[in-house]
Formats: sequence, structure tokens, C-alpha cells
Amino acid sequence: GAVVSQHPSRVICKSGTSVKIECRSLDFQATTMFWYRQFPKQSLMLMATSNEGSKATYEQGVEKDKFLINHASLTLSTLTVTSAHPEDSSFYICSATSLAGVREQYFGPGTRLTVT
Amino acid sequence: DAKTTQPPSMDCAEGRAANLPCNHSTISGNEYVYWYRQIHSQGPQYIIHGLKNNETNEMASLIITEDRKSSTLILPHATLRDTAVYYCIVRAFNRDDKIIFGKGTRLHILP
Repeated sequence: GAVVSQHPSRVICKSGTSVKIECRSLDFQATTMFWYRQFPKQSLMLMATSNEGSKATYEQGVEKDKFLINHASLTLSTLTVTSAHPEDSSFYICSATSLAGVREQYFGPGTRLTVT
Repeated sequence: DAKTTQPPSMDCAEGRAANLPCNHSTISGNEYVYWYRQIHSQGPQYIIHGLKNNETNEMASLIITEDRKSSTLILPHATLRDTAVYYCIVRAFNRDDKIIFGKGTRLHILP
């Protein structure tokens, strides 16, 4: 199946700093990518939908100025957590849907963010 | 997306078939049933999907009732590596549709 990668897999940052997470579709082109957040023992919560070349659509309650999403190409979307706080510590997961062919969403392996 | 209802947890003995139920009584005619699973600290993994016919692939079988209001995911010979949270989702067959995850079923495979 199609492969989605995330980088980094783990990151620790200090409170007040910003951190960028990359999501790449490795062997297919994706017009749409999604970003999720998952707290311990909870389900995935959709944060935003990212379309190549346009502004992201954020879910209700997600601060767009805090979670900056850029989808500059058909294979790369980035999520930047700005002015991170300990409560932003979470597991961030992206997914992508293929431009053609099969229609499943392919998920990345996730990025564990810890804000100290 | 239509709402789904799944039991919060289930146990299954290793080597036995694991049958995971899902209720989706408000499913629309153009919505498919999808199953994903998430192994601890990993991203979700696609398992299978179907519209109204039963489906089988190398991972699992999907049985959908004739009225489409419920379905069952079957892992024919469960192994310890199948321990995960299993999510049943209904969605239209559109590659841009976002997936809203419910709480899923935490499946424990017992040695």
C-alpha cells in the first residue's frame, strides 16, 4: 500500500518555542492531507484538512493561529505548533488520500510531541 | 459521517477467530463501512471496507447485514500482534472525505 511518513517521530521542546512536523506521501500524490491529535487513551481527533495550494480548514475549537498548516506540494504538508505549552503534548498523526486509484486514507506513523 | 457504536473492549484467545461487531443504524445508501486499527503508539492502519456485499482480504473478512445497519469484522486466526484498537467508520466513497473516529473497540488477544 501507499506510504506516508512523518518527521520527526519524537520531539521534545521547551515551553514557548515552536515545532514543525512534516507529513510526506512517499509514493503517491495527495491533494488532501489531514491532521489529527491523540491524547493518551483517547481516540484520534481531527484538527484540520489540508488541501494543496489552499488554506487549511480547521475543525471547531482548533486554533488556526496556534497550529499552522502548510500544504505546499502534492507530497508534503507541515504542521507547526507555535508557542507550544505542556498541554500541547500529544501524539500528532497525519493522513493523505491518493490523487488517483485507491481511495483509502493512508496514515503516517505519528509524531510524539512533548513540551517541557 | 454516520455514527457507529462499538463495544469498548473485547478479549479473544490467540488462534481463535475474533469477531468485532459494529452498529451503524443511520448509514446512508452511499456510505461505505470502513475498518481501521491502531496498534499502540502507531498510526491507524486500513483493514477493509465494503458497501453491502461481504468482503475478504488477506487481513480480515467483513460481514455486512442485509439491511446494512450493522457489520462484523472477522480476524480468522487472531495473533498477539492483532492486539489493537479497532475503529468502525462509515463514510461516503470520496477520497477527500474526512474520517471522524469514534472510540473503537480495544481488542486484547490472550495467549
